[in-house]
Amino acid sequence: GEEVAQTPKHLVRGEGQKAKLYCAPIKGHSYVFWYQQVLKNEFKFLISFQNENVFDETGMPKERFSAKCLPNSPCSLEIQATKLEDSAVYFCASSQLTPGGDYEQYFGPGTRLTVT
Amino acid sequence: EDQVTQSPEALRLQEGESSSLNCSYTVSGLRGLFWYRQDPGKGPEFLFTLYSAGEEKEKERLKATLTKKESFLHITAPKPEDSATYLCAVRNNFNKFYFGSGTKLNVKP
Repeated sequence: GEEVAQTPKHLVRGEGQKAKLYCAPIKGHSYVFWYQQVLKNEFKFLISFQNENVFDETGMPKERFSAKCLPNSPCSLEIQATKLEDSAVYFCASSQLTPGGDYEQYFGPGTRLTVT
Repeated sequence: EDQVTQSPEALRLQEGESSSLNCSYTVSGLRGLFWYRQDPGKGPEFLFTLYSAGEEKEKERLKATLTKKESFLHITAPKPEDSATYLCAVRNNFNKFYFGSGTKLNVKP
């Protein structure tokens, strides 16, 4: 497709429950990025993939967060044992390497996670 | 540490009143500076990429410029539909992206 699709739009979880978010990148894009947007528009990079391989995971809180991009499936971001501070909007972006060697990221609409 | 600072946090303009948004950056080897527009409840929409000092790009009423320390997003004769949050981001030599906190623009008719 021509747009990045994210599901669900809104997810509510009790503290300690698991949350799983999905992202379908634009067809033909080989890079996928996950970001967490909290208050005041602060974007925090979490993880990126090149096809199904992790490209950069330096932003991931590894003890509770995990992510996958498997062939022929939407990418996923999973949070085990959610905490109140995980409440945020999670954005997925996809990109193809431009001829100039850059990543013009196209963002999905986001998934709003509310942890109660 | 690499970082991006945007100012002002919020900007209110009358329709037709031109202005500029600022994005100051500190980065270990700039590989690209990006401008995005974000509407409430939506993901950022890509606007421009700038790579080197002196570069300029235009799209309708928007023009982005780049120096070695900052970028400006100039808005000429804005319309109410230009109201949005404008985000700036940089990519460094290690392929890491850093976003600013955005400037919330409100254009009154």
